[in-house]
Amino acid sequence: ILNVEQSPQSLHVQEGDSTNFTCSFPSSNFYALHWYRWETAKSPEALFVMTLNGDEKKKGRISATLNTKEGYSYLYIKGSQPEDSATYLCAFTAHGGYNKLIFGAGTRLAVHP
Amino acid sequence: DSGVTQTPKHLITATGQRVTLRCSPRSGDLSVYWYQQSLDQGLQFLIQYYNGEERAKGNILERFSAQQFPDLHSELNLSSLELGDSALYFCASSVGSSHSPLHFGNGTRLTVT
Repeated sequence: ILNVEQSPQSLHVQEGDSTNFTCSFPSSNFYALHWYRWETAKSPEALFVMTLNGDEKKKGRISATLNTKEGYSYLYIKGSQPEDSATYLCAFTAHGGYNKLIFGAGTRLAVHP
Repeated sequence: DSGVTQTPKHLITATGQRVTLRCSPRSGDLSVYWYQQSLDQGLQFLIQYYNGEERAKGNILERFSAQQFPDLHSELNLSSLELGDSALYFCASSVGSSHSPLHFGNGTRLTVT
């Protein structure tokens, strides 16, 4: 059974704070790690797809790192804004998985003005 | 707008009935995925198709079936419905390569009474 764990489950921060959360996944048979942002009443939107150990990706104030040897990825948000409030999902694919994504339960972020 | 269209948006039906959920993928995408999100659970992978053929299967019940047609749209059929089948059903599509991000539709909310 492939398990993808995300922590914390939820997070409340003040506007302007920087924050980060973790995604843990099986380190064996790794193929790709995805991050998605899911706003309330909308559908998940892709942020990053990472494949190589040590990968770092950045989009505006959001960045992500990947450690495939130990099986974790961090998502960072610098200077959080209320519009960053959303659930952040990570998803893992294994070799031979045909891009079958196994999602974690997500980290729910609330940014307070 | 992700370009993925799901119909209907809402469906209310009784136990024992059968329903069909429809998905049109983003233009150019060959892969279609179905996910289920039940109350307090994350996105659970059901099934994936690529260019009309089944590629990967998740925890899809025998009462559920899906297919992808030559025009690449997909249908998810749910039969002998039970109260526990009430959930948000998402369709997603991707180009089909192993690292490609998923583009999600807005989901169909199924309520079984």
